[in-house]
Amino acid sequence: AQSVAQPEDQVNVAEGNPLTVKCTYSVSGNPYLFWYVQYPNRGLQFLLKYITGDNLVKGSYGFEAEFNKSQTSFHLKKPSALVSDSALYFCAVSPWGGYNKLIFGAGTRLAVHP
Amino acid sequence: GAGVSQSPSNKVTEKGKDVELRCDPISGHTALYWYRQSLGQGLEFLIYFQGNSAPDKSGLPSDRFSAERTGGSVSTLTIQRTQQEDSAVYLCASSFWAGGKAKNIQYFGAGTRLSVL
Repeated sequence: AQSVAQPEDQVNVAEGNPLTVKCTYSVSGNPYLFWYVQYPNRGLQFLLKYITGDNLVKGSYGFEAEFNKSQTSFHLKKPSALVSDSALYFCAVSPWGGYNKLIFGAGTRLAVHP
Repeated sequence: GAGVSQSPSNKVTEKGKDVELRCDPISGHTALYWYRQSLGQGLEFLIYFQGNSAPDKSGLPSDRFSAERTGGSVSTLTIQRTQQEDSAVYLCASSFWAGGKAKNIQYFGAGTRLSVL
C-alpha cells in the first residue's frame, strides 16, 4: 500500500537554529514527492517538489528537501528557522507520476521559539 | 481568479440535512481535487476530476457523498443526510495537467469548515 509517514507530531526549534522535519514514504515505482505548509485557517501552500534529478530540492521561503531513495526519505530542512515558520507541515506523495491524488502524511507541527 | 476559491468558508448544519460545498478552481486548470481534513483522519483524498474523463471517486467514504464538475470548471461537493462524523474541513485543489514530465502542483483553496450538530 502507498503511504507516507511523518514520525514527529511536533518539532520545536529555537529561532536561528537549523530545522528538519522528517518524512518517509512507501510507494511502488518512482514517486513524486511534495511538501506543503498550512497556516491557521488557511489552505495548504506548496513549498517544493521532487520529481527527478538532483536529490536536493530548493523551494519557497528558504526551505529545501533532500530525496534519499535508499532510505525512502524526503526530509524538509531550513538552515536558519524563523518564528514565522511556525505552522503545520505536510509531506505528500503521488505514486502515479504526479497526475493523480496526493497521499499525505499526518502532518508535523513546527514551533519556532524566539 | 488568482487562486482556488471555496464557498462558504464555514457551514453549520443539523444532522440529517443536505449540504453543498462549492469550489472555483484556478482559471485554465484542467484537474480538480477534493480532500477532507479532520482531526482523526488527517488529510484524505475524496474525488478527482480531469478534463472530460470519468472522475476518480475512489476516496468517497459513502454513497451520501457525491460531486460534479460543470463545464470543466466549478465543482460542487454534495453531502446528503449529514452525520456528525462528516464534520471536517473540506479542501479543494486544482492543477494544470500536462503530458510528459508534468510539474503537477496542486493549489489549494482555504477550505470549507463543516460543522454538523
